[in-house]
Amino acid sequence: AQSVTQLGSHVSVSEGALVLLRCNYSSSVPPYLFWYVQYPNQGLQLLLKYTSAATLVKGINGFEAEFKKSETSFHLTKPSAHMSDAAEYFCAVSGGSQGNLIFGKGTKLSVKP
Amino acid sequence: NAGVTQTPKFQVLKTGQSMTLQCAQDMNHNSMYWYRQDPGMGLRLIYYSASEGTTDKGEVPNGYNVSRLNKREFSLRLESAAPSQTSVYFCATQRQGVFTDTQYFGPGTRLTVL
Repeated sequence: AQSVTQLGSHVSVSEGALVLLRCNYSSSVPPYLFWYVQYPNQGLQLLLKYTSAATLVKGINGFEAEFKKSETSFHLTKPSAHMSDAAEYFCAVSGGSQGNLIFGKGTKLSVKP
Repeated sequence: NAGVTQTPKFQVLKTGQSMTLQCAQDMNHNSMYWYRQDPGMGLRLIYYSASEGTTDKGEVPNGYNVSRLNKREFSLRLESAAPSQTSVYFCATQRQGVFTDTQYFGPGTRLTVL
C-alpha cells in the first residue's frame, strides 16, 4: 500500500531564505508523486508532479523537487522564499485502489519579512 | 472555462439535518472524487466515480451517499449530519483514473455541523 509522510507540520523561513519541505513515500510499485499548494480558503493547486520522466522536476512559482529512489524521498525546494509562498503544501502519491491520490498531512509554510 | 465548481461555499447544519453538496466540471473528465480535509489529517477519499453511472467507496464513506448524475456532475449527500462531519469538502476531477494524470480540485465547501 502507498503512503506519504511529510516531516514537519509547520515550517517557518525568512523572506529570501531557502525553502525545504520534506516528503517521504512508501510504495510497492514505482510511484507517481505530486506536490500541491493550498492558499488560505482555496482549493488545491498542482505545483509539480513526478511521472518517471526525469528525477528533477520543475514546477510553478520557482519550486522544484527531486525524486530519490534510494531515499524514498521527494522533497520540495525553492531557493528564495517570497511572502506570497505562505500556504499549506501537500505531498501525494498516486496509486490508491480507485486511482485516487494518497495525501500526506500537509506542511504549513510561514514566511517572515 | 470554470474548471471545477462547488456549491455551496459555506454551510452550517444542525445535527440530524440533511444536505447535498454539488460539484460540476466542464473539463470533460471521466473520473470524479470527493475528499474531506480535516486539520492535521490531509485529504481523505470519501467516494469516487470512474465514469457516469458508477461509484465506489473510498477510505471514509460512512454517513455519505453520492450520485453521478451525468458526466459533468457528482453530488455528495449527508442524510443525517453529525458533528464528526464538520470538515472542508473538496471535489476533484481527473481525465481518467490513471496514476499519472493530474487531479484538479474545486474551491471547497466548508461545512459546520452543530
